[in-house]
Amino acid sequence: GQNIDQPTEMTATEGAIVQINCTYQTSGFNGLFWYQQHAGEAPTFLSYNVLDGLEEKGRFSSFLSRSKGYSYLLLKELQMKDSASYLCAVRGLADKLIFGTGTRLQVFP
Amino acid sequence: DAGVIQSPRHEVTEMGQEVTLRCKPISGHDYLFWYRQTMMRGLELLIYFNNNVPIDDSGMPEDRFSAKMPNASFSTLKIQPSEPRDSAVYFCASSLLGLETQYFGPGTRLLVL
Repeated sequence: GQNIDQPTEMTATEGAIVQINCTYQTSGFNGLFWYQQHAGEAPTFLSYNVLDGLEEKGRFSSFLSRSKGYSYLLLKELQMKDSASYLCAVRGLADKLIFGTGTRLQVFP
Repeated sequence: DAGVIQSPRHEVTEMGQEVTLRCKPISGHDYLFWYRQTMMRGLELLIYFNNNVPIDDSGMPEDRFSAKMPNASFSTLKIQPSEPRDSAVYFCASSLLGLETQYFGPGTRLLVL
């Protein structure tokens, strides 16, 4: 079967660092994506990992371990505007993306 | 680029009525995806097209749902007849290639009474 797990909710303080974990079990693996989705809006692309290791992009970084079926999204210097849902998605067989149910992050002042 | 365009943005209808959702992908993208998002089930892939041809419709919930892509710049998702459990946000996304990043439209918020 296909399964992607991530925490349902997280809270953090402005200026802090937060790590959102994602574990997956899928049929095949052709990359892992992180998307950000603000309430009432469409998901927007944040990062993509296909090889093991860390990908850094400004305040956001994403890590992948294929052997462990594990990824995390690291958000540094949190801002209020980072309050959103963060969706982990795995591309398995063919071109299909399988999404997790998302982690709702609330940033407090 | 205008991005992925969807219409209508909001739709309220009564049970039993036909609903048609529309999508215009980003110009030049040859993959188009239809998703449904609910609080309970998250974002689910319904069907996707490559070069206007349906590739995988295994996510379509039942025969009441159908999707077409008559040309590279237009796709429709139809629900007939609609039921209250179809209430959700329906997203369309497109990508340049199958392995490339998918870009989402703003979604259609459907409420079936």
